[in-house]
Amino acid sequence: GESVGLHLPTLSVQEGDNSIINCAYSNSASDYFIWYKQESGKGPQFIIDIRSNMDKRQGQRVTVLLNKTVKHLSLQIAATQPGDSAVYFCAERGPGDTGTASKLTFGTGTRLQVTL
Amino acid sequence: DGGITQSPKYLFRKEGQNVTLSCEQNLNHDAMYWYRQDPGQGLRLIYYSQIVNDFQKGDIAEGYSVSREKKESFPLTVTSAQKNPTAFYLCASSIASGRGNEQFFGPGTRLTVL
Repeated sequence: GESVGLHLPTLSVQEGDNSIINCAYSNSASDYFIWYKQESGKGPQFIIDIRSNMDKRQGQRVTVLLNKTVKHLSLQIAATQPGDSAVYFCAERGPGDTGTASKLTFGTGTRLQVTL
Repeated sequence: DGGITQSPKYLFRKEGQNVTLSCEQNLNHDAMYWYRQDPGQGLRLIYYSQIVNDFQKGDIAEGYSVSREKKESFPLTVTSAQKNPTAFYLCASSIASGRGNEQFFGPGTRLTVL
């Protein structure tokens, strides 16, 4: 309910360690997924995306894993840095969106805190 | 530089007033979106537009209105009918395609009702 959403799950990681942020998505037919990073008071920033025909995709210091069997998405950040501290959102696109716009459904987010 | 701009950054409104939030993009994107974000929550879709002079309601359109007279502009009006308008409002745009593409976000407008 509303009270749950006010308290974001928080992941605390030491600088230099790897971070794993998890997301359970809702629609088994979703075909496209994105991870966004949002710093306080700013708009979300694209990190990495993955299509449903893949189970892994790597970027610079980040890896996204997709497990369609259990509807689970994860973001791995290697050698976490203080600048990685932010709220991370996963987003999914449902199968019915065949128009021009990409309607995305966002998760509630996870706060990553990097300690020195 | 290409990007999305939103103005103002902070906006204060008295109860019963309508206010309009600006969103402009110079990315040549066809699709544009408005989201609302409440503290500690994810983004909820208010309205979206796939092309000029066309727009559709999102999940929480009640109390809001939009227009899309130009490709680069998608202003959002928060009307007095919106019962709880205090929130962080985010505008986004994406390339036109039938497949998923990332949405680029603006810096947001924080609206507070006094």
